[in-house]
Amino acid sequence: GENVGLHLPTLSVQEGDNSIINCAYSNSASDYFIWYKQESGKGPQFIIDIRSNMDKRQGQRVTVLLNKTVKHLSLQIAATQPGDSAVYFCAENYNAGNNRKLIWGLGTSLAVNP
Amino acid sequence: SQTIHQWPATLVQPVGSPLSLECTVEGTSNPNLYWYRQAAGRGLQLLFYSVGIGQISSEVPQNLSASRPQDRQFILSSKKLLLSDSGFYLCAWNPAYTGTDTQYFGPGTRLTVL
Repeated sequence: GENVGLHLPTLSVQEGDNSIINCAYSNSASDYFIWYKQESGKGPQFIIDIRSNMDKRQGQRVTVLLNKTVKHLSLQIAATQPGDSAVYFCAENYNAGNNRKLIWGLGTSLAVNP
Repeated sequence: SQTIHQWPATLVQPVGSPLSLECTVEGTSNPNLYWYRQAAGRGLQLLFYSVGIGQISSEVPQNLSASRPQDRQFILSSKKLLLSDSGFYLCAWNPAYTGTDTQYFGPGTRLTVL
């Protein structure tokens, strides 16, 4: 994809603060969105998802917000901990003919300072 | 519960040598399977996906090939490795026909071509 050659943006926060990671998605027909967390040397792990008929969904310490008007997705992490340090990816899904297509965002590196 | 395995975990190979990476999924039947490559500090690039035995779709032209000899086995191969094949290779799966697109990732294989 076109994002694979770009360096990851970085977000640095203090332990205990709230983190907000943003993602601009590309396709207005996308109907399902996912956030993944990838720790160093490991595969991405599912965090939370949201369908396009919702604008907010909450999990444990995480909240995903969806703004379809501006094609924007955000992940909020409450009371950020050192274990939250990782790269966070958003992904969007849409119908492409008879197939489902998944587009990955660039990723954001979150660094939590003690 | 479902689990996904990849091996080897790390691999160092000379340029021009062959490659075979294996991915297996347990606890599910007829999964969709995916191979991704991730360069250091970069996003995910989809290489291949498969919706069934012997069915392989290639997303980008490259030096690699994929095969699915069994329902829950996905293999990534090359006849002659290039330096540019170095990277972190991730296998992923998701259930077919469930209406969700969340993919679940394996632990990855770190390939270094020298």
